[in-house]
Amino acid sequence: DVKVTQSSRYLVKRTGEKVFLECVQDMDHENMFWYRQDPGLGLRLIYFSYDVKMKEKGDIPEGYSVSREKKERFSLILESASTNQTSMYLCASSSMDVRETQYFGPGTRLLVL
Amino acid sequence: QQQVKQSPQSLIVQKGGISIINCAYENTAFDYFPWYQQFPGKGPALLIAIRPDVSEKKEGRFTISFNKSAKQFSLHIMDSQPGDSATYFCAAKSSGNQGGKLIFGQGTELSVKP
Repeated sequence: DVKVTQSSRYLVKRTGEKVFLECVQDMDHENMFWYRQDPGLGLRLIYFSYDVKMKEKGDIPEGYSVSREKKERFSLILESASTNQTSMYLCASSSMDVRETQYFGPGTRLLVL
Repeated sequence: QQQVKQSPQSLIVQKGGISIINCAYENTAFDYFPWYQQFPGKGPALLIAIRPDVSEKKEGRFTISFNKSAKQFSLHIMDSQPGDSATYFCAAKSSGNQGGKLIFGQGTELSVKP
């Protein structure tokens, strides 16, 4: 069964802290994605990666960075958390087959105080 | 041109009724149109998807209608049930898109009243 896991379901951090969100997939997928989800705005792509050590900016990369050292793991980093980064963060993965869809993790709800 | 516009933002339907959610796009290179269903506290999950070579796809109570000339597609939920209450996202992508990047609509929060 397809599985994407995220390291935390809920996180509370202080403004200025460095925050790491981890995502792991067990499907040997090449592509991995980080989204944030906010009411009325849908899912907005932050960064994606189509190979180990490769990364591409999505629509809203400002204030974020990513790391992909291994194929199964994709990390999202908030260098200095701010209150406007309070959101639901979703990780997804997909294969290179263009007919394949994306599989999502359960999400991490981040609150920055 | 990369946007997918989804409406309505929220929808209330009586049990047994038909729920209809609409999406529109601009990019004619899009050739894969999935719908995702998301329950509270869960990540989105693929519900049903269509390619532009067909005008309709049905899976159980869920049907996608696709109008290529109008660049619109919609999700119909027949005999809506309280268990269908969730947020629904339409999305689109192009096969030539590196990395399989999906463009999502804004989401529709569906509530089915018993």
